[in-house]
Parts: sequence; structure tokens; C-alpha cells
Amino acid sequence: GQNIDQPTEMTATEGAIVQINCTYQTSGFNGLFWYQQHAGEAPTFLSYNVLDGLEEKGRFSSFLSRSKGYSYLLLKELQMKDSASYLCAVRDGDYKLSFGAGTTVTVRA
Amino acid sequence: IAGITQAPTSQILAAGRRMTLRCTQDMRHNAMYWYRQDLGLGLRLIHYSNTAGTTGKGEVPDGYSVSRANTDDFPLTLASAVPSQTSVYFCASSESSGSTDTQYFGPGTRLTVL
Repeated sequence: GQNIDQPTEMTATEGAIVQINCTYQTSGFNGLFWYQQHAGEAPTFLSYNVLDGLEEKGRFSSFLSRSKGYSYLLLKELQMKDSASYLCAVRDGDYKLSFGAGTTVTVRA
Repeated sequence: IAGITQAPTSQILAAGRRMTLRCTQDMRHNAMYWYRQDLGLGLRLIHYSNTAGTTGKGEVPDGYSVSRANTDDFPLTLASAVPSQTSVYFCASSESSGSTDTQYFGPGTRLTVL
């Protein structure tokens, strides 16, 4: 099976920056996704990386290093609405998505 | 445009009963997926379908079956429910099963098996 690790919980202050790390070991690699999931809701797509480097999308950025099996999601200028779970997912050699358990981010005033 | 709809929203079921969770998408996506989400384990793939008429097994297929008679619908059936199938079930779809295609998720069905 696949092995995807991310921290369980993180807490940060409104306006701050938080970095959520994800390490993975998969059989084959066809891209890494980050999803946001608010409590009781469906996951929603945030970002996709398939090449090494940084992808920036507004306040959110995602970084990938394929050689290190490592990604991070950077959330800048945190807002209360950013309190959610963030899911790291890797598409393997068979094009199936495997998900990490998710990181719950709590933003405090 | 609704995207992906799932029914029911929630259900309490007696063990041993048969249950079908419904999933419909109106985006004309070729690929559809069923996941279960359990606390501390993340989303796990149950079954998938790359195109109408084909299905495949995911990571945790035992106790579940699916069918894909047309593009829009992808029902998930529990033939004889057991308490370990208590979970939140998400249906998802993507344009295809290719590497760049993003999966979009339905609102989920919360199932409790007693």
C-alpha cells in the first residue's frame, strides 16, 4: 500500500503563516494534490503539483520535491475561515489517489 | 448545475440489512469513485469506474459492490451491512482517470450500522 504522512493538528494565529508538511512513499508517482475539508463537508480541491517546485495560488502555495517524497502546503495571512482539515493525496502509478489522514488546522483570533 | 449529489444524507441501518448509497453527477465525467472516511485513517478508495460499463476494486472493496450502467450514476451497495461499515461515504468524479484530472467530491453520506 501507500504511505502518506502529515501532522495530525496545527494551531496558528489569525494573520500568521502555517506550513503543513506531507511525506510520501508510493509505488509510482503521477502528481500530488492538496484538498481542504471543513468539518461535516466534502473535500474541495486546492492545488496540484506534478513537477518539482512551488505553485502559488493567492494565499495558498504548494511545494513538491519528488526526489525527497515531500510536499508542503503554505497558508499565508491566515483567516478564521481557514480552520479546516487539509488532506495530502498522491496519485500513484495506477493513477489512483491515496490520501493522508489529514491535518486539522485551527486558526485563533 | 448541481455537480455531484449523494443520497441519503445520513442513514442508521441495522446490521445484516442491504443498503444502496446513490451518487449522481451532471458534469459528464467519465471516472467516478467511492471512498470511505474514518477518523484517523483518511479517505480510502472502495471502488472506482474509469468509464461507463467498467468498474474496479480499490483499497477496501470487501463487503461492497458497485455498478456503472451509465455515465451519470454510480451506486454503492452494501449487501449485508456490518458495524465496521459505519463511516462517512464520499462519491467523487473526474473527467477521466488521467494524471492531471482533479477529483470533485459529493457532500457525503453518513452511515451508522448498529
